[in-house]
Amino acid sequence: GAVVSQHPSWVICKSGTSVKIECRSLDFQATTMFWYRQFPKQSLMLMATSNEGSKATYEQGVEKDKFLINHASLTLSTLTVTSAHPEDSSFYICSATQGATDQPQHFGDGTRLSIL
Amino acid sequence: EDQVTQSPEALRLQEGESSSLNCSYTVSGLRGLFWYRQDPGKGPEFLFTLYSAGEEKEKERLKATLTKKESFLHITAPKPEDSATYLCAVQAKNNQGGKLIFGQGTELSVKP
Repeated sequence: GAVVSQHPSWVICKSGTSVKIECRSLDFQATTMFWYRQFPKQSLMLMATSNEGSKATYEQGVEKDKFLINHASLTLSTLTVTSAHPEDSSFYICSATQGATDQPQHFGDGTRLSIL
Repeated sequence: EDQVTQSPEALRLQEGESSSLNCSYTVSGLRGLFWYRQDPGKGPEFLFTLYSAGEEKEKERLKATLTKKESFLHITAPKPEDSATYLCAVQAKNNQGGKLIFGQGTELSVKP
């Protein structure tokens, strides 16, 4: 149980294009979804928290116009990296929680984004 | 400021050599402490949640314990397949959104 699917797992695109990453909870309804960024040999850095039907809450220093988050349903959240540049290249990971906020977050397998 | 520190950064063990990973935390009221395992190129896999001092959880060769200042992940007779990065994270009571604060992780390597 508690499976989170993330797609695509790997994307390469040219500088200036926009990239959309999907995060789905497959066997539960996710009240809250989270988006992280992870650099090599480093821990997870929270980018934003999203609740179904409301605007995402972004962490300090994260550009909300650059990283657009939509949480349209209880099973789907999307992260769109707009006008991507090489410095946006990273490993992006989503997670979802079911029910109360003290429940564990369940993570997708991440998306490796490379901007040329 | 809420903070999580894991030690050691890296740990090399021989197969069967038991050891412990440490997670020290400072948080303004602990709601929960979480242990995850992360394999290279993958997302973290949930292992345990601990909510109060004195609590223990076990799963196969892993056992997690919690005090008011730290948590330990004990690995008994590890196997090569236990090689991974182990992440500790805490959630503060005053956090309404369920945000986790992660440590830097311990990279465990178990040699046959």
